[in-house]
Amino acid sequence: QVQLVESGGGVVQPGTSLRLSCAASGFTFKDYGMHWIRQAPGKGLEWVAFIWFDGSNKDYADSVKGRFTISRDNSNNTLYLQMNNLRAEDTAVYYCVRGYRTGSDPFEFWGQGTLVTVSS
Amino acid sequence: DVVMTQSPLSLPVTLGQPASISCRSSQSLVHSDGNTYLNWFQQRPGQSPRRLIYKVSNRDSGVPDRFSGSGSGTDFTLKISRVEAEDVGIYYCMQGTHWPPWTFGQGTKVEIK
Repeated sequence: QVQLVESGGGVVQPGTSLRLSCAASGFTFKDYGMHWIRQAPGKGLEWVAFIWFDGSNKDYADSVKGRFTISRDNSNNTLYLQMNNLRAEDTAVYYCVRGYRTGSDPFEFWGQGTLVTVSS
Repeated sequence: DVVMTQSPLSLPVTLGQPASISCRSSQSLVHSDGNTYLNWFQQRPGQSPRRLIYKVSNRDSGVPDRFSGSGSGTDFTLKISRVEAEDVGIYYCMQGTHWPPWTFGQGTKVEIK
């Protein structure tokens, strides 16, 4: 069965960096685009970043552009989110979400999320 | 960016009664390929979001048939024919036609009266 397991969250100070990971299993990872979506405490869902199946194209929300970098390692079935210059407003649960592949509809599978808290 | 607007934001419902959530987009969600990429998600307390409906009206595997999606263009609706206790949570619509960014509605909190 499809599994997405995020890790790497924690409490960090403003201006510092953190790298999130998402270990994927139960499907052919290299065939799918992948997303990061976040949810601030008590708030709604916000799309953060997307990477194509082969890593050739990446998109970012304006709120994180220039500070966050999405990447993937298809040989190890892992998705990453490098977060630099973190701000208090980046505090959220970050979800790894399976995206598009020809013949399938995206956003069906979500991880359990990892909490990032940015506080001094 | 496409703005998704849900209403109501809070929906108290009596068990066994129907519920309806509206979602409107700031522009048509009909894609050039002819599909309309409008999803509905359920988020139960303390859980990750779960996709219920994709492309307006297609129910995901395991989703009870009391959930249905409808609509076209800019106006969409999620209906629960008879609300059960396990339906308590927050429901989000999301568009995937005009990206980036993919955008969500604000969420509608369904609770039992």
